[in-house]
Amino acid sequence: EVRLVESGGAVVQPGGSLRLSCGVSGFSFDDYAMHWVRQVPGRGLEWVSLISWDGSRTYYADSVKGRFIMSRDNSKNSLSLEMKSLRGEDTAMYYCGKDRQGGSGSYYVDKWGQGTVVIVAS
Amino acid sequence: DIQMTQSPSSVSASVGDRVTITCRATQPIGDWVAWFQQKPGEAPKLLIFAASTLQSGVPSRFSGSGSGTDFTLTISSLQPEDFATYYCQQAHKLPITFGQGTRLEIK
Repeated sequence: EVRLVESGGAVVQPGGSLRLSCGVSGFSFDDYAMHWVRQVPGRGLEWVSLISWDGSRTYYADSVKGRFIMSRDNSKNSLSLEMKSLRGEDTAMYYCGKDRQGGSGSYYVDKWGQGTVVIVAS
Repeated sequence: DIQMTQSPSSVSASVGDRVTITCRATQPIGDWVAWFQQKPGEAPKLLIFAASTLQSGVPSRFSGSGSGTDFTLTISSLQPEDFATYYCQQAHKLPITFGQGTRLEIK
């Protein structure tokens, strides 16, 4: 069974930093590109970032570019999202997701974790 | 960025009804569209990718069609478990973008 489990969500002050993690099991992690997608409660979905199967290529939404860094450790089947200079508008549920393909992905997320909540507030 | 506009934003229907949700892209995107279902408190679930390909395990009452700029998701005969919010998503180019969602409610 494919499983993705996010962790690291917390309440953080504006300007602060946070690191989210995603542990995966049930599939060959290093065969697939991976994503982070976020959702403000009661609102729609916003794609955040994508990392290639080997971590050599990363892509970001303009809203987080320069502040967030996505990385992966294929030896540990884990994904992370380092978030800096956090803003109120970063408050959301953050989901990690598996792409349907390897390489730099197909941009289809076929498996999702249950999410971890980030609240940016003073 | 490619914008995806869904309609309607909400729809009320009964068990057994046929429901169609549409999604329009601001530029041609071939068949690079996915549809997701999301229930309250749950993560999104992929239903359809490449506009019309059913994801493994998804019931056949779900179908997708379209190409270019106009796409549809059809549920042929609503079941109680289908009441949820549905999102389209374009996979043509980064940044990936989603429609605003269509809430399917019980009439």
